[in-house]
Amino acid sequence: QVQLQESGPGLVKPSETLSLTCIVSGGSINNYYWSWIRQPPGKGLEWIGYTYYSGATNYNPSLKSRVTISVDTSNNQFSLRLSAVTAADTAVYYCARLPRYCSGGSCWGGYFDNWGQGTLVIVSS
Amino acid sequence: DIQMTQSPSSLSASVGDRVTITCQASQDISKYLNWYQQKPGKAPKLLIYGASNVETRVPSRFSGGGSGTDFSLTISSLQPEDIATYYCQQYDNFPVTFGGGTKVEIK
Repeated sequence: QVQLQESGPGLVKPSETLSLTCIVSGGSINNYYWSWIRQPPGKGLEWIGYTYYSGATNYNPSLKSRVTISVDTSNNQFSLRLSAVTAADTAVYYCARLPRYCSGGSCWGGYFDNWGQGTLVIVSS
Repeated sequence: DIQMTQSPSSLSASVGDRVTITCQASQDISKYLNWYQQKPGKAPKLLIYGASNVETRVPSRFSGGGSGTDFSLTISSLQPEDIATYYCQQYDNFPVTFGGGTKVEIK
């Protein structure tokens, strides 16, 4: 059974860059999409973006100007960088796996079938 | 963005009751709809994918249906361990979007 584990600072200062890593164990990072999702305290889920193992990415337009998701296949991990953070970026950040779904000649990530436990990141000075 | 509207936002039911949660998309998403269960302090867990396919090891009391813009998640006989918030999610168009959630409690 694949396991995902987020790691990174739990406190980030406003205007700085939030950096998180998700380590994938018990399975290969190859042939899947890998995503970041966040959840502000007491609120719903927001998709941040995902990367294919090849390095191709797709981001939520609401965050696109500040987000970078990268993959490191040699170490079976992927990362999130979110720049110029504000208090509104305070949330639990989850990493998740998506199997590849293909239809009509196009392929993309379908559903989040494995999740990390989540890590709370607070933006505060 | 495709808006996903869940109803009700919360419900209270008795053990053994049949419970149905609905999710409406702001445009046709065919069957590109998933359902997740989130217990307090835990990550979401996939229940249903492709509108009606039950994920491996999910109890058979959970089922999903619908297509186009209207979808439903049904718990045929509510159990105490089903207390959670349930979210729908579409993957027909980017960005991927989630519904606002339905909190299920025991009466």
